[in-house]
Amino acid sequence: QQPVQSPQAVILREGEDAVINCSSSKALYSVHWYRQKHGEAPVFLMILLKGGEQKGHEKISASFNEKKQQSSLYLTASQLSYSGTYFCGTASGGGADGLTFGKGTHLIIQP
Amino acid sequence: KAGVTQTPRYLIKTRGQQVTLSCSPISGHRSVSWYQQTPGQGLQFLFEYFSETQRNKGNFPGRFSGRQFSNSRSEMNVSTLELGDSALYLCASNDGGDIYGYTFGSGTRLTVV
Repeated sequence: QQPVQSPQAVILREGEDAVINCSSSKALYSVHWYRQKHGEAPVFLMILLKGGEQKGHEKISASFNEKKQQSSLYLTASQLSYSGTYFCGTASGGGADGLTFGKGTHLIIQP
Repeated sequence: KAGVTQTPRYLIKTRGQQVTLSCSPISGHRSVSWYQQTPGQGLQFLFEYFSETQRNKGNFPGRFSGRQFSNSRSEMNVSTLELGDSALYLCASNDGGDIYGYTFGSGTRLTVV
């Protein structure tokens, strides 16, 4: 089943923070986060594995709550370049099940 | 190193025809996955290949098929095209499996008329 992302869209001013949530009804082994700009390919941001640690680099980080099967992506002090559509992709096994993606969160950063 | 290369970038086909799309993964990546992206359904998993073997398949009709060659390049084929097959087809590669991040190609935009 498709994970549910929230919010569907968000508009921020440059420098503000954002949180994007991803929730699944299935037990998860991994959660991927990608950003896609209009007309471009999705770009890998980070992956969180069951039993793994919270990930992050610079101003983008993410967490994975295994008990609730939820993941959150944190964007701190957003920059104009953060604009795009963010997708979470989930997998229930550690093999090659393929990712099930949420419908995406549209993020617009205004100057 | 070079990224994931998909050809062609754009394709227009007539209903009932068949089409073959190509994907060259990042050098050294043995896993290639295919996804269909549409405004209504979003990103949907088609299939995954690893070392020339299909390891998993998404919920798509048998008209959608694929294969992987010994050099890890992959092709997907859609036969008897329908209007609803119009979509962006994305190929992604990684070192093998869902525990690694995927690198996506720019996609092939297929329009069926």
